[in-house]
Amino acid sequence: DAGVTQSPTHLIKTRGQQVTLRCSPKSGHDTVSWYQQALGQGPQFIFQYYEEEERQRGNFPDRFSGHQYPNYSSELNVNALLLGDSALYLCASSLSGQSYGYTFGSGTRLTVV
Amino acid sequence: QKEVEQDPGPLSVPEGAIVSLNCTYSNSAFQYFMWYRQYSRKGPELLMYTYSSGNKEDGRFTAQVDKSSKYISLFIRDSQPSDSATYLCAPGGSYIPTFGRGTSLIVHP
Repeated sequence: DAGVTQSPTHLIKTRGQQVTLRCSPKSGHDTVSWYQQALGQGPQFIFQYYEEEERQRGNFPDRFSGHQYPNYSSELNVNALLLGDSALYLCASSLSGQSYGYTFGSGTRLTVV
Repeated sequence: QKEVEQDPGPLSVPEGAIVSLNCTYSNSAFQYFMWYRQYSRKGPELLMYTYSSGNKEDGRFTAQVDKSSKYISLFIRDSQPSDSATYLCAPGGSYIPTFGRGTSLIVHP
């Protein structure tokens, strides 16, 4: 049973560019959450998608946007990249209403230069 | 004030030691709590899930919640070098997991 799959694993972008990160949830899960983890910090909640809609959002600017497809996979888009956006981006999937069942992927490490 | 706070450490112990990892929380409405373990360059993995007050034991791991002081603890018995990781606590139940910095644990042989 495949867990959460994220792509790419590593990415280098230039300041001002745009980036798209992808996530395939664990089989049977219908909810996808995205987190940003800066070096030495805990994961910070960006937003959560359920039924193809953003259900809840953390304290992140509108430069961060997302999408969820009918097959539950999801994308995180970041526009106008800043150096401070360099971080590990984690996707977590779950079954709606079950917070104990969050399964995290290994993340995409984004470096903005 | 963050919803959960942890001492980032690092906490360095010899193999075989009993480890105590702690977490405080601010929202008295939290009923469920989770401990995640995160190895370097990996995503967090759920270690234990516990409800309200009292203890929950799973092998070498024991989770303890003290609601009166809003304090959560994770005890690791007979610690192993493979336990070296960052440990994160988070509220559970109907709440989306939110994390503090986590505590870095180093178990040296």
